[in-house]
Order: sequence, then structure tokens, then C-alpha cells
Amino acid sequence: GQQVQQSPASLVLQEGENAELQCNFSSTATRLQWFYQHPGGRLVSLFYNPSGTKHTGRLTSTTVTNERRSSLHISSSQTTDSGTYFCAIDPVNTGNYKYVFGAGTRLKVIA
Amino acid sequence: EAAVTQSPRSKVAVTGGKVTLSCHQTNNHDYMYWYRQDTGHGLRLIHYSYVADSTEKGDIPDGYKASRPSQENFSLILELASLSQTAVYFCASTTGGQLYFGEGSKLTVL
Repeated sequence: GQQVQQSPASLVLQEGENAELQCNFSSTATRLQWFYQHPGGRLVSLFYNPSGTKHTGRLTSTTVTNERRSSLHISSSQTTDSGTYFCAIDPVNTGNYKYVFGAGTRLKVIA
Repeated sequence: EAAVTQSPRSKVAVTGGKVTLSCHQTNNHDYMYWYRQDTGHGLRLIHYSYVADSTEKGDIPDGYKASRPSQENFSLILELASLSQTAVYFCASTTGGQLYFGEGSKLTVL
């Protein structure tokens, strides 16, 4: 079946440090999204990035489709970045935008 | 930002009881989804729909039914709730591939 692996599973940073979150997937992905889940549970889309590099604020997402990997870089981390980050792919040929999620990276940023 | 609203946001149900979770979207999206999240895990697809009056099984449909009476509304139905169905349930919608999620519904089955 389809598989999405995220690493690391958890991460603790001092405020101001940078972080690199990885997402590797076993099938060619038509689409890829990065989500942030607030500690309270709300899911927010960070990037819709099936290929290439995208930036927003302190976040950068880079997807290399033919290598089946994506990364999320967080620069100058803040305590408000704490939460869980999910990578999700829409595998090619399944249709209907049926995203498969990784298990997430739990990030804690301490002051 | 697409608007997807879920109700109830939290519910306690008894084992064997019937539970209905509702989802409403106001962005004219064709596709709607129900995902389940267990504590400390990612999301898994239960049911989805790409048109009103039609639903499809996702990866973990057993014990769940779905209903799409209109383009805006998508419900998840647990006819006989079980302890193992305690989880947070998320509804999502899309029209072009980018998913938009609701706030989640926390279900506790006792």
C-alpha cells in the first residue's frame, strides 16, 4: 500500500534554532501538502507543493517529485511553532484526491 | 480560506448507540472527506464523496456509513458505536486538490 514516512518523529528546539522536517513516500505523488496541527487540534494547510520550492514567512517547502521526498524548513523557530506537522500525498493514479498522511513530526520549541 | 464546519465539536456516546457527525462546506467544493485521527497518529480516510447522493469507501470504512444529501453537506454515521471508535474525526473538502479541513469532532465512546 501507499506509505508516507516522516522524520524525525519528534523534535525539541531552543527558540531561534532552525529545523528540517523530512517526508519520504513510496509512490509517485500527484500532489503533496504540508499541514500544521495546533496543540488544540486544528489543522492548517501550510503548503500545497507537489513540486519545487515554496516560501511563506519563515517556512520553506521543497519537493523533489522524482526522488519521492519533500522537506519543510523552519527558520528561527518560535514557541508558537510548537505542534505537529503532517505531510500528505495524493498518490498518482488513485484519483479523487485521496490523500495519505504520514504519522507527523511533533515539534516543541522552548524559550 | 475555504470554510468547513463540523458539528458537534465534541460528543460522548454509549457503546451500541448511534452517532451522526455532520459537516458543512460553503465553498462549492465537489469532494468531501471524513478522516479519523487517533491520539498521536496521522489521519486515515474513512469515506469520501465526489458528488451529491454518492459516497465511496476510503481505507478504513468498516463500522461507518456516510451520507451526502447535498453538495454542501456530508455526514458520518456510526450505527453501533464501539469503544474502538473513540477518536477525533475531521471533515475536509476540495475542488482542485488542496484540502481544507474542519475543526474536528472529538468522539468518546464509553
